[in-house]
Amino acid sequence: AIRMTQSPSSLPASLGDRVTITCRANQAIDTSLAWYQQKQGKTPKLLMHAASTLELGVPSRFSGSGSGTDFTLTITSLQSDDFATYYCLQYFTYPRTFGQGTKVEI
Amino acid sequence: QVQLQQWGPGLLKPSETLSLTCGVYDSSVTGYYWTWVRQPPGKGLEWVGEIDHSGSTHYNTSLQSRVRISIDTSKNQLSLTLASVTAADTAVYYCARDEVPEYWGQGVLVTVSS
Repeated sequence: AIRMTQSPSSLPASLGDRVTITCRANQAIDTSLAWYQQKQGKTPKLLMHAASTLELGVPSRFSGSGSGTDFTLTITSLQSDDFATYYCLQYFTYPRTFGQGTKVEI
Repeated sequence: QVQLQQWGPGLLKPSETLSLTCGVYDSSVTGYYWTWVRQPPGKGLEWVGEIDHSGSTHYNTSLQSRVRISIDTSKNQLSLTLASVTAADTAVYYCARDEVPEYWGQGVLVTVSS
């Protein structure tokens, strides 16, 4: 199975900060990567797929990039609603695999 | 708006079989991919498996000897069974639509304890 490694695991941040989360695959996955946001006690929310395609309704302060093995999720000007845990998911091959998560916290 | 409603036992004993059902509303189970994901308490998301529109299934390698996903088109619902559970299977189990899951059920906490 493809292993997805996110860094950092925890990200202390402040309102207005620009934050970047990295997801690295141990083999190439083209751009078959999605990002999810999960708040405590809630279901995951799909933010983007194909590495950089934002889902409808997701604020433009979220952006994604990358291809192959290295991917980033960037949040410009962090808002209070953005404090959550973020997961990447590769869907290039089976079994699908999630990264271990990055908790963005105050 | 697609709605997924899950139900099933919340407490199991070791060696029992986990069975969860996911009812699909305002969408048809046919023509879509359906995914199960689980999340142990305080931990990350784990992909359990998927069934596609042709009925083909794919499973997490670590679970594939014990897991089965199926669809009941007459009831417009899907099911997850996981045999011989242990404490390590304690988790919130989610059903979701699409291979890149966008619509999620509310999740069901399944606790395995003697």
